[in-house]
Amino acid sequence: GAGVSQSPSNKVTEKGKDVELRCDPISGHTALYWYRQSLGQGLEFLIYFQGNSAPDKSGLPSDRFSAERTGGSVSTLTIQRTQQEDSAVYLCASSDSWRGSETQYFGPGTRLLVL
Amino acid sequence: AQSVTQLDSHVSVSEGTPVLLRCNYSSSYSPSLFWYVQHPNKGLQLLLKYTSAATLVKGINGFEAEFKKSETSFHLTKPSAHMSDAAEYFCVVNHGSSNTGKLIFGQGTTLQVKP
Repeated sequence: GAGVSQSPSNKVTEKGKDVELRCDPISGHTALYWYRQSLGQGLEFLIYFQGNSAPDKSGLPSDRFSAERTGGSVSTLTIQRTQQEDSAVYLCASSDSWRGSETQYFGPGTRLLVL
Repeated sequence: AQSVTQLDSHVSVSEGTPVLLRCNYSSSYSPSLFWYVQHPNKGLQLLLKYTSAATLVKGINGFEAEFKKSETSFHLTKPSAHMSDAAEYFCVVNHGSSNTGKLIFGQGTTLQVKP
């Protein structure tokens, strides 16, 4: 079956521009997660959705970052006024539930480069 | 707070020899532990997970890991390395406290397999 998909696969933007990253989770998965993978920081949690609500936004690095999920499915991560330190691979994952023991299935990521 | 330490940033083995990737964790709760693999320019794939059942966990591609509570370790092993095993490996613990499924990643171990 279809896995988690993300778009775009690559994004190059200029400092100060806004970007939107999209995640399509596995159909029926209620939990959705965003992570960021960068050379300096490794893999870091950003935000988690249960349905359309986000009980845990603790990993968002600044108020320039926001995310939403609609219809319990697609999620969009928005970065406003991008900075060079935002350059990273943004990974989305989904799972059948929010239980800690559930396997999270990861998408291929969006590679963001801020010039 | 939960944390994960991968004791080696880089491991090099010869094809056909055993693989050992070391991981120690810290957790205030009964953790769920995972090993994920990331091949170059590919997404994260689950190798195996421990969720308080059997302490010896078998995963895909001949990998296994043993949960040792007394040593707070979850080392990944494989009896015989294959060239296709060359990749980045991540030891992961779930956040645990509120059971949100938020994952905490180790810094990763790069496995090199020499012919």
